[in-house]
Amino acid sequence: DAGVIQSPRHEVTEMGQEVTLRCKPISGHNSLFWYRQTMMRGLELLIYFNNNVPIDDSGMPEDRFSAKMPNASFSTLKIQPSEPRDSAVYFCASSSPRLAGVNEQFFGPGTRLTVL
Amino acid sequence: SQELEQSPQSLIVQEGKNLTINCTSSKTLYGLYWYKQKYGEGLIFLMMLQKGGEEKSHEKITAKLDEKKQQSSLHITASQPSHAGIYLCGAGSNTDKLIFGTGTRLQVFP
Repeated sequence: DAGVIQSPRHEVTEMGQEVTLRCKPISGHNSLFWYRQTMMRGLELLIYFNNNVPIDDSGMPEDRFSAKMPNASFSTLKIQPSEPRDSAVYFCASSSPRLAGVNEQFFGPGTRLTVL
Repeated sequence: SQELEQSPQSLIVQEGKNLTINCTSSKTLYGLYWYKQKYGEGLIFLMMLQKGGEEKSHEKITAKLDEKKQQSSLHITASQPSHAGIYLCGAGSNTDKLIFGTGTRLQVFP
């Protein structure tokens, strides 16, 4: 298996520009998670989908952030307009239906975003 | 909302030494996950504990979930440079969400 695939791996952009991060979950997994990791705040859950439907977006910082999952094999996280404080590593993770209460999440390699 | 606090925040040990990382929850834990993150990479699942008193081992890493189910410890025996990285604990719930701790940065020097 290829694992969770994220693109791009690195993104450098200027303040005000639109940024789109992409994620391909592991085939067969029905839950997808977007996280943001910074030194100050650690690993934060932004939003998660179950069967392509957004379940909890309470972690999305503000209206500049939006996420979509048009099908079971693709999701995007968009920031428009981007700001320097959005600089972080963004992770996508996926998981299969829980068995006996176990919900192991598989993480992608992350996208390192720098907003100048 | 649930919060997980890890201690210590960072740890520097000499190769061969044992070490322990703690994860304390503000609420009862219903499933505790340990992950390791190598610098610049994603998180790798280590193990998951569900029942109070449960203990699991993977190679030289042992994790325990205490009886009151609000704390877990991760113990590494005879540490090696390959153990270096960031260790994160994650709390499960009745949903698919995991809430992660603050992380412990481990460095192992020869």
